[in-house]
Parts: sequence; structure tokens; C-alpha cells
Amino acid sequence: GAGVSQSPSNKVTEKGKDVELRCDPISGHTALYWYRQSLGQGLEFLIYFQGNSAPDKSGLPSDRFSAERTGGSVSTLTIQRTQQEDSAVYLCASSLRGLEETQYFGPGTRLLVL
Amino acid sequence: KQEVTQIPAALSVPEGENLVLNCSFTDSAIYNLQWFRQDPGKGLTSLLLIQSSQREQTSGRLNASLDKSSGRSTLYIAASQPGDSATYLCAADPGENNAGNMLTFGGGTRLMVKP
Repeated sequence: GAGVSQSPSNKVTEKGKDVELRCDPISGHTALYWYRQSLGQGLEFLIYFQGNSAPDKSGLPSDRFSAERTGGSVSTLTIQRTQQEDSAVYLCASSLRGLEETQYFGPGTRLLVL
Repeated sequence: KQEVTQIPAALSVPEGENLVLNCSFTDSAIYNLQWFRQDPGKGLTSLLLIQSSQREQTSGRLNASLDKSSGRSTLYIAASQPGDSATYLCAADPGENNAGNMLTFGGGTRLMVKP
């Protein structure tokens, strides 16, 4: 079946603009995760959605970052007033029920803030 | 706070060699340890997941071991092939019942297998 998909694959924006990144998880997966991979920083957790529970936002680096998941499926990560340090690859993953299970990753969105 | 370290950061071997990638973690209270592969410009592919109660998992030419008490995991690749060239990441999963319920990733080992 189809895996996790993300769009756009690449995004170039100017400092100060808002961007929206989209993730389509594997159908039937109730858990969805966002990660960020910066050059030299490794992979870091941003936010976790599980079913209808309140999301775990403990990894969001600032209040410029927000995410929502509509209908328990598609998720959008929004970065407001982008800064150059936001440049990174943003990865989305999903798992069937939640933590403690294999997470399946999308190809990522490469964001460049000029 | 969990910290995961991978050594070496980069490794280059000739085709056919057996090799070991190392992963260490500071907090032994993990639920499982996962190994991923990342090809350039692509997302992560899950390779092996070892539950905390297990000592090892095998998939084809890959074998991953886990020693919780010493905070170490290794990924063994037998008879390496050029197609194995990628970055390999390990990640510690604290599980639902632990605070900070998120995967913590190591920095990765960039593997190059030369034909």
C-alpha cells in the first residue's frame, strides 16, 4: 500500500514568511509524528498526535511552530515568520497505534529560508 | 534526558566486508531500540526494532543486538554491498509510560561500501 507522503518536497521561502508543510500518513495509522533534521543537529522530535488525544507538543522549538491534524488523518505543520535557522528537512512519520511501534517515515520536506 | 551517540560518524569499507555500527544510550530505561536507514534526499526506512526484553533481532544480512544494562546496541551487516551505502540511525524509544515519550535519535553513521 501507499506509504507516508509529504508535500511539498522542497520549499524555498524568504525570511519572515509563513510556510505550511503537509503530511499524509499511512491509511489506518492513528499516530502521527513530526521531526526536524537540521544539518549538524541530527533528528529531533517536534510533535506527536495520537487519535483524538491532545497532541504532545513538547518538542516544538518556539511558538512560531504549530501543527494540526484534521479528521485524524492529514497533518499540517505551520511555521510562522520563518527564520534562517528554521532551514532543515522536516520529516513526518506514522505508526499503527502509537508509541512503542515501528514508525514509517515520509520522504521529508526540505525547507530553505533565505 | 536521554542521549544517543553513534560511532563511527562515517565508515568506508570495500564490498564483501562484515561491519559493525555502534549505538550507545545514556538512559537504560528504554522500551525498545530501533535502527533506521536513510538514503540521500529520502526519509527513514525502519530496519530492525528490538524490544527491551530481547537481546537481538535479525533480518537478512542484518543483525542488531541490545545490551540495556550497558546502554549499547550494535548493528552488524554481513557481506556488505554497494547498495548498503546510506546513513544508519539508531533511536531509543522510552515507551508510553515514561516522560518525554518520543524517539531520541543518534547522529547517524554514514556508510560507504566501495565496489
